[in-house]
Amino acid sequence: QSALTQPASVSGSPGQSITISCTGTSTDVGSYDLVSWYQHHPGKAPKLMIYEGSKRPSGVSNRFSGSKSGNTASLTISGLQTDDEADYYCCSYATSSTWVFGGGTKLTVL
Amino acid sequence: QLQLQESGPGLVKPSETLSLTCTVSGASISSSSYYWGWIRQPPGKGLEWIGNIYYSGHTSYNPSLKSRVTISVDTSQNQFSLKLTSVTAADAAVYYCAETVDYKFDYWGQGTLVTVSS
Repeated sequence: QSALTQPASVSGSPGQSITISCTGTSTDVGSYDLVSWYQHHPGKAPKLMIYEGSKRPSGVSNRFSGSKSGNTASLTISGLQTDDEADYYCCSYATSSTWVFGGGTKLTVL
Repeated sequence: QLQLQESGPGLVKPSETLSLTCTVSGASISSSSYYWGWIRQPPGKGLEWIGNIYYSGHTSYNPSLKSRVTISVDTSQNQFSLKLTSVTAADAAVYYCAETVDYKFDYWGQGTLVTVSS
């Protein structure tokens, strides 16, 4: 079970949009529409932002959206705000009732 | 509002067993709706799923840790626990417990730092 592949860092200016990719395999991302995304500010508990690939939990801004194509899932944040600056992790359900996280992406809002 | 709180020793000696407990409030750990999980984050690294448990005791573990991990549930205390044997420096991390429903980790504890050192 290998970690999903995410870019180490992305950056954008306030008001811009960014996309974070999350690449897995046919045993995880490619087989299930069960990718979730988490926002993690250091020292705090991770927060669920997207689940089942594109659904937003109650209370999460519609500036956050998710999608998937093949073995790659993506998180898009539009209208960047300074408090969006955080680490973002994707996670996928995988075969044999397991879960696998991505390596994380540090978002910098310039 | 569901809340989770990790507890346990912050320092474990190499080769010994790491033991942590997660206390759940705001929901019954016996609910058929939830799985309960452990995730960790080594310093400077990403999140790693350790394993999940259902109230019935059914478990699933990360294959890379499976030989050393045991997750159990105590319904009388509304808690679930993690045991990781034969720890090394590579097991030093912030350990999180989380509630899993419908294949997502909805609620997380604040995390507890475990250091491995003699």
